[in-house]
Amino acid sequence: SAVISQKPSRDICQRGTSLTIQCQVDSQVTMMFWYRQQPGQSLTLIATANQGSEATYESGFVIDKFPISRPNLTFSTLTVSNMSPEDSSIYLCSFLQGSGYGYTFGSGTRLTVV
Amino acid sequence: LAKTTQPISMDSYEGQEVNITCSHNNIATNDYITWYQQFPSQGPRFIIQGYKTKVTNEVASLFIPADRKSSTLSLPRVSLSDTAVYYCLVGDPYTDKLIFGTGTRLQVFP
Repeated sequence: SAVISQKPSRDICQRGTSLTIQCQVDSQVTMMFWYRQQPGQSLTLIATANQGSEATYESGFVIDKFPISRPNLTFSTLTVSNMSPEDSSIYLCSFLQGSGYGYTFGSGTRLTVV
Repeated sequence: LAKTTQPISMDSYEGQEVNITCSHNNIATNDYITWYQQFPSQGPRFIIQGYKTKVTNEVASLFIPADRKSSTLSLPRVSLSDTAVYYCLVGDPYTDKLIFGTGTRLQVFP
């Protein structure tokens, strides 16, 4: 099965700055997904990233705050822009492994904004 | 949106069977119900997936009644390493989005 790697695993950032999170899959996948998981909470979908088109954002998430790139079928980035302490969370990428195998998730990026 | 309910936490002892239920009163008719396990500082890991009735793999069983208003993950003979948070994932019939359950924190004691 395909493997996904995500980096950085954690970061502490100053408010007002931006952080770009990268996800790399070792095979081509059509869609990649970005999630946010606040401490002790479940996962919330931020957006779906297709190669060659703009990402589709869920309610409550906007492109200016969370720009996403998908330059090819194995890679995607999520940027958390103009960060505030409320953005402190875990951010995860994922893709659909295939029918019967569910979604595979990256190990997550734990972001702390100070 | 589809609404899911899971027990917040459960305790068990090594060697016991653990059953975790996710109630989802209104989910997409064509989507699978999937369960994930998450350890601290890791992304969720796929456990099992089913559409209806019973599915079993090498680590768990999944029971889904005919009305699909709930699903139960069954972990046979848990060990300390099964201590984790368990999530169900279901489809919302109105938006076609997948929604994670609220999660159940399982603590296994020796």
